[in-house]
Amino acid sequence: LAKTTQPISMDSYEGQEVNITCSHNNIATNDYITWYQQFPSQGPRFIIQGYKTKVTNEVASLFIPADRKSSTLSLPRVSLSDTAVYYCLVALTRKDSNYQLIWGAGTKLIIKP
Amino acid sequence: NAGVTQTPKFQVLKTGQSMTLQCAQDMNHEYMSWYRQDPGMGLRLIHYSVGAGITDQGEVPNGYNVSRSTTEDFPLRLLSAAPSQTSVYFCASRPARTGRGNTGELFFGEGSRLTVL
Repeated sequence: LAKTTQPISMDSYEGQEVNITCSHNNIATNDYITWYQQFPSQGPRFIIQGYKTKVTNEVASLFIPADRKSSTLSLPRVSLSDTAVYYCLVALTRKDSNYQLIWGAGTKLIIKP
Repeated sequence: NAGVTQTPKFQVLKTGQSMTLQCAQDMNHEYMSWYRQDPGMGLRLIHYSVGAGITDQGEVPNGYNVSRSTTEDFPLRLLSAAPSQTSVYFCASRPARTGRGNTGELFFGEGSRLTVL
């Protein structure tokens, strides 16, 4: 049974690089991994998505090793405003060509001054 | 752009009462879905729809009904509320799937906090 596992919480300091890892087994070659950010009293917001190697956008990078059993969200030079809960989402392709969404339980990231 | 709009933002019900959580999106998205979010459990999919007239069950559908008569609206109905349905509910939408395994970006509403006494 597919499952995603991520740390419950992490602390870091302003200006540091933060890496949050999500473990996901039994994912196929083309199954996508997506990360969302959620602030209190708001809905989750898309950060980044990919299915292999490395993806980078203006706010984050996503690293996916060759075995694809995990992925790492990297936030460069975090600030206090990056304090939030971060969710890993894996889309598993099913035999009927639809897919099943597997959400992680979320990582609460606290950035300190 | 309004994006995904959920109403009401807060609701208190008594056990056995019924109500409907409204969700509307103005982005012409084909896919819409409802999630519930409980502490320590992340997001769990209740129901989803891939287009008008088409709905399907998610991970935790019991106690909830949905319908999709238009592209814009996807209401979630609780026919007989129970304390176990106390939660924060999120509606999310996205365009049609862009490729095999590619979920695309989900757009979430701001949530509806429901308390069942």
